[in-house]
Amino acid sequence: RKEVEQDPGPFNVPEGATVAFNCTYSNSASQSFFWYRQDCRKEPKLLMSVYSSGNEDGRFTAQLNRASQYISLLIRDSKLSDSATYLCVVTTWVSGGSNYKLTFGKGTLLTVNP
Amino acid sequence: NAGVTQTPKFQVLKTGQSMTLQCAQDMNHEYMSWYRQDPGMGLRLIHYSVGAGITDQGEVPNGYNVSRSTTEDFPLRLLSAAPSQTSVYFCASSYSLSGRKPYNEQFFGPGTRLTVL
Repeated sequence: RKEVEQDPGPFNVPEGATVAFNCTYSNSASQSFFWYRQDCRKEPKLLMSVYSSGNEDGRFTAQLNRASQYISLLIRDSKLSDSATYLCVVTTWVSGGSNYKLTFGKGTLLTVNP
Repeated sequence: NAGVTQTPKFQVLKTGQSMTLQCAQDMNHEYMSWYRQDPGMGLRLIHYSVGAGITDQGEVPNGYNVSRSTTEDFPLRLLSAAPSQTSVYFCASSYSLSGRKPYNEQFFGPGTRLTVL
């Protein structure tokens, strides 16, 4: 099982639609979880952290299920400007080390159409 | 603040040539890292540094060297370029990834698009 796996996509949705992305991780000791957004030919930028109790930021909702080792991102009322690649990121303590390791999923491309 | 800066933005090399990709940050971040991004492969960690004078290997370190003589700068050296190193390279920094603060945002530079012929 890969360390971090995401829906392969791509997702094409009309404006106003609700879309959900899923991500699974293999290491049960993983500590923290994020969603990053990457626009075409640009650098990734943090969209939101994912907390155990779930969290919401406007139209975006992130959920974490530690038992199933699964995180999700829900986008409601999609806008054209939401078109981007969404990256799932997991941090895991490096065994015997003094720092965390970040592992990125391959990303899921979302295109929101007029 | 300029954030994380990378130079050059584009580079074409011939097989066997060497070069250095520059990365600098002005946020006094302890943690810096280099990733490469290839189609269908996602971001893969090349090397990272938890502070000046300390570097370590990531997932795909072969063919690359790094050094961290100052907090601000973290250059990536390609020793003898190969076509397999054609990729987009991103430098990133964060305040810390120590055990006390695992939740820090990674700030990425704009990337260097490298082609090796």
